[in-house]
Amino acid sequence: AQTVTQSQPEMSVQEAETVTLSCTYDTSESDYYLFWYKQPPSRQMILVIRQEAYKQQNATENRFSVNFQKAAKSFSLKISDSQLGDAAMYFCAYRSAYINNDMRFGAGTRLTVKP
Amino acid sequence: DAGITQSPRYKITETGRQVTLMCHQTWSHSYMFWYRQDLGHGLRLIYYSAAADITDKGEVPDGYVVSRSKTENFPLTLESATRSQTSVYFCASSVGVGGLSEQFFGPGTRLTVL
Repeated sequence: AQTVTQSQPEMSVQEAETVTLSCTYDTSESDYYLFWYKQPPSRQMILVIRQEAYKQQNATENRFSVNFQKAAKSFSLKISDSQLGDAAMYFCAYRSAYINNDMRFGAGTRLTVKP
Repeated sequence: DAGITQSPRYKITETGRQVTLMCHQTWSHSYMFWYRQDLGHGLRLIYYSAAADITDKGEVPDGYVVSRSKTENFPLTLESATRSQTSVYFCASSVGVGGLSEQFFGPGTRLTVL
């Protein structure tokens, strides 16, 4: 089964600075989809950004962007101009293109934003 | 504009008791999911449903039962709760299930089994 690893249990960033959260995954599949979800203190998971494996161009959503390195099986999330509202748990997730219900989540990274 | 709701938000029960967690969505999404969230594990899929009366097991289904008689509701039942089922439970729904389809999550239910 595919596994998703987030090697940084906690990260902190100064307000207005940039931070990168790491995510690696293990798969033998050639086609798949990757996601970053945010879980604020309210607990409700919110989709931040998503990427198709066969697309070389890195996805971008406003201040959020990814660095997708398919050969390295890496999918890091960059948050630019960090804001206090970015403080949350961030989960990386992998979805197989072959087994639709199979979505695997990493253990999460807790991001603290310092004013 | 309720979206997806879960009840109760918090529940304390005792070992051996039956408990049901409720999930309701107002979007008429076909797919619904139940996950559990434990420290160090992220979210793990318990069960999912493709439509009313169609359900299937996920990664960690043991000890859980689901039903889906109506599109909007997807209750999760712990028939005989165990301490290992202490967790935060999330319900989610989506229009589709594959590709880049987004899952929309409820606020979660924190369940404690004493």
